[in-house]
Amino acid sequence: EVQLEESGGGLVQPGGSLRLSCAASGFTLTSYSMHWVRQAPGKGLEWVSYIRNTMDTIYYADSVKGRFTISKDNAKNSLYLQMNSLRDEDTAVYFCAVGYFDLWGRGTLVTVSS
Amino acid sequence: DIQMTQSPSSLSASVGDRVTITCRASQGIRNDLGWFQQKPGKAPKLLIYAASSLQSGVPSRFSGSGSGTDFTLTISSLQPEDFATYYCLQHNNYPLTFGQGTRLEIK
Repeated sequence: EVQLEESGGGLVQPGGSLRLSCAASGFTLTSYSMHWVRQAPGKGLEWVSYIRNTMDTIYYADSVKGRFTISKDNAKNSLYLQMNSLRDEDTAVYFCAVGYFDLWGRGTLVTVSS
Repeated sequence: DIQMTQSPSSLSASVGDRVTITCRASQGIRNDLGWFQQKPGKAPKLLIYAASSLQSGVPSRFSGSGSGTDFTLTISSLQPEDFATYYCLQHNNYPLTFGQGTRLEIK
């Protein structure tokens, strides 16, 4: 079965760090560009970051630029999001999605709170 | 950044109704637009890509149209499982931007 599964969410204090993972199964990430999208509680969807399949092009939303880093490990068939200097407003469910948004994971909840 | 203005923000309708949701881009985005359905606690699901192409497995009562700045999602005859929140997404230019969402409720 083709699927994505996020992990790594949890409770972290403001200013802290967290690393999210997105494991692909049933297909290889080598050929696919990937995105992270988040959704704050009760709010709409916000695109966060993109990495091209060749990993030579990366984009970030202004709200996370300089604090978050997207990466991909083809050998582990996984996508990552390193989140540093976390703020209250980063609290959200984080989803990974394949490049054309036709496959999404279930999401992982990140809560930033003291 | 490209702003996506989605309307209405909420909509009450009955089973069998025809409904239309619109998205307007702050600048031309060709047909680089997708429509998504999201149910509570679930990931978004792609319904329409390239503004008017139906994603595989999506019922034909869903359709999309538009190009440039104005886009519509139409559900021709609402079914009980269609009550959800709908979002548009432009992927013409980074940063990608979603519409604010339309919550479709049962009347």
